[in-house]
Amino acid sequence: RKEVEQDPGPFNVPEGATVAFNCTYSNSASQSFFWYRQDCRKEPKLLMSVYSSGNEDGRFTAQLNRASQYISLLIRDSKLSDSATYLCVVTSRDYKLSFGAGTTVTVRA
Amino acid sequence: DAGITQSPRHKVTETGTPVTLRCHQTENHRYMYWYRQDPGHGLRLIHYSYGVKDTDKGEVSDGYSVSRSKTEDFLLTLESATSSQTSVYFCAMGPGLAGGQTDTQYFGPGTRLTVL
Repeated sequence: RKEVEQDPGPFNVPEGATVAFNCTYSNSASQSFFWYRQDCRKEPKLLMSVYSSGNEDGRFTAQLNRASQYISLLIRDSKLSDSATYLCVVTSRDYKLSFGAGTTVTVRA
Repeated sequence: DAGITQSPRHKVTETGTPVTLRCHQTENHRYMYWYRQDPGHGLRLIHYSYGVKDTDKGEVSDGYSVSRSKTEDFLLTLESATSSQTSVYFCAMGPGLAGGQTDTQYFGPGTRLTVL
């Protein structure tokens, strides 16, 4: 079983829509959680950390559910520039990061 | 403001040849990492370093070796390249935290390696 699993999508949404997706993780001892964004053929870049109480960064909201071992990302008022692959990242054994394979979001005009 | 660079950015080589990829950072971060990214697998850790001359294996280390002789440089070597090592390789750096817990990682631009 993979340590981090994501729905690969793609999620195709119109501009202005809200899109949300989850990832699940298998290691109940995981302590740190992140969402990274990766544009086509580019390096991953940190989008936001995910805190236990949930957190927002502009149009982006991240939630953590430790009991069910999943984290979520919600994007409000989608922009064309939000089109990307979103990587779910959690700490694994020995505090190294484990990456999901990514969820692809395409925002259309 | 690229605090981390990789070279070469693209490389085509033949099966059986040795290949070295270089990662260079200017942020004085303690931790450095090498990942490979393949479709459907996400990023997988090859090796990482937690200081000069201090390295350890990741989940896909077979066929790879690393060296870190200076804080700023982390080299990945494919001793004898195989077609299965065709991939995109990303280097990353991070500050780590007290107690060894890793935190945010920052990635280099990647190296596209093709082994024929």
